[in-house]
Amino acid sequence: AQSVAQPEDQVNVAEGNPLTVKCTYSVSGNPYLFWYVQYPNRGLQFLLKYITGDNLVKGSYGFEAEFNKSQTSFHLKKPSALVSDSALYFCAVRDKSNTGKLIFGQGTTLQVKP
Amino acid sequence: GAGVSQSPSNKVTEKGKDVELRCDPISGHTALYWYRQSLGQGLEFLIYFQGNSAPDKSGLPSDRFSAERTGGSVSTLTIQRTQQEDSAVYLCASSLTGTGYGYTFGSGTRLTVV
Repeated sequence: AQSVAQPEDQVNVAEGNPLTVKCTYSVSGNPYLFWYVQYPNRGLQFLLKYITGDNLVKGSYGFEAEFNKSQTSFHLKKPSALVSDSALYFCAVRDKSNTGKLIFGQGTTLQVKP
Repeated sequence: GAGVSQSPSNKVTEKGKDVELRCDPISGHTALYWYRQSLGQGLEFLIYFQGNSAPDKSGLPSDRFSAERTGGSVSTLTIQRTQQEDSAVYLCASSLTGTGYGYTFGSGTRLTVV
């Protein structure tokens, strides 16, 4: 079965420090991977995706993610965190059925302290 | 419209009552998805529409849940005889095609069953 795991419920970082939000996946074949962010009382916003090609993917708001096939990981990173990055982050993988539905992880709350 | 619109934004209902949640996707988006976000859990897929048909309704949790889409546009998710465990945020997303990327999410409907 396809699945996504986000092992950390919450990540705390100080403003200006680098941040990493972890994601591992389990899917047969080549995965299509995504990161979304959810601000309070808002819908999910797309950050970035990996479909194929370069393992380092750059996305919105200075975020990037590295696809690592051997470790089946797709960790989200940012070199210097901002207080405004505080939000709920979801990793997702596209289901193998021909519907485009996404399988989401449980989410990780990122808290950036000033 | 410019984005995906969901109404109502909040709904409080008594246990046993029926509720209807509405999603108005981006004009021209043929694919429409409903997800449920329960407290402390990730997003759970409910149903996928391509045009007016629903080729994947595998995520609907019980026969109390149904959805329809008319005119290839607006979709309505109906929950009959609501239960407290139905309390959640119901998110709708639309996409130009059913490829799994390029989702735009609405802000969701927060349903509380008392």
